Amino acid sequence: GQQLNQSPQSMFIQEGEDVSMNCTSSSIFNTWLWYKQDPGEGPVLLIALYKAGELTSNGRLTAQFGITRKDSFLNISASIPSDVGIYFCAGQSGGTYKYIFGTGTRLKVLA
Amino acid sequence: EAQVTQNPRYLITVTGKKLTVTCSQNMNHEYMSWYRQDPGLGLRQIYYSMNVEVTDKGDVPEGYKVSRKEKRNFPLILESPSPNQTSLYFCASRPQGVDEKLFFGSGTQLSVL
Repeated sequence: GQQLNQSPQSMFIQEGEDVSMNCTSSSIFNTWLWYKQDPGEGPVLLIALYKAGELTSNGRLTAQFGITRKDSFLNISASIPSDVGIYFCAGQSGGTYKYIFGTGTRLKVLA
Repeated sequence: EAQVTQNPRYLITVTGKKLTVTCSQNMNHEYMSWYRQDPGLGLRQIYYSMNVEVTDKGDVPEGYKVSRKEKRNFPLILESPSPNQTSLYFCASRPQGVDEKLFFGSGTQLSVL
């Protein structure tokens, strides 16, 4: 099945640093979603994007829907230890309930 | 509290012994789905259901069965588990509608020996 290319696969950063990750696809999506998964838990929705070019924030998190509709970016500003986890992007095609997930970015924050 | 509930959280079994992982949601969602999560592969869809008595295959349905007799429940059945089905499984649900979001359960870690 189709999957999204998500990068980086993992990253170690210092507390206070900004973080950027992205997802790219060969297909166009109508919706981009960003999830965070804490250890031992299910993914929790962080941000949903519905229009090309849309920029949406949720606290220290900012995500953008790429203008080509084939990519999306997530930025975390001033990272803190509780940001540790796996971040997943997901794309959804219009008129369907099918979600394609990225392979995840594992984030580790060093205090 | 609105939630998707999976049981059990952890399960160790042996090859060939039938098992069922239950999933229940209390949000009256029409759509429910099962995913498996494997290292380096992200989340892959196993089966999904658009409503009661309506189910369809996802990307990796082999070796799995589902049923949707009631709106709130969507059990995942492994008739004859094999070691390659060792994985972390997630159930998810969402309401109908264009801009609705997908909500996940806490996961079931399955080990097939």
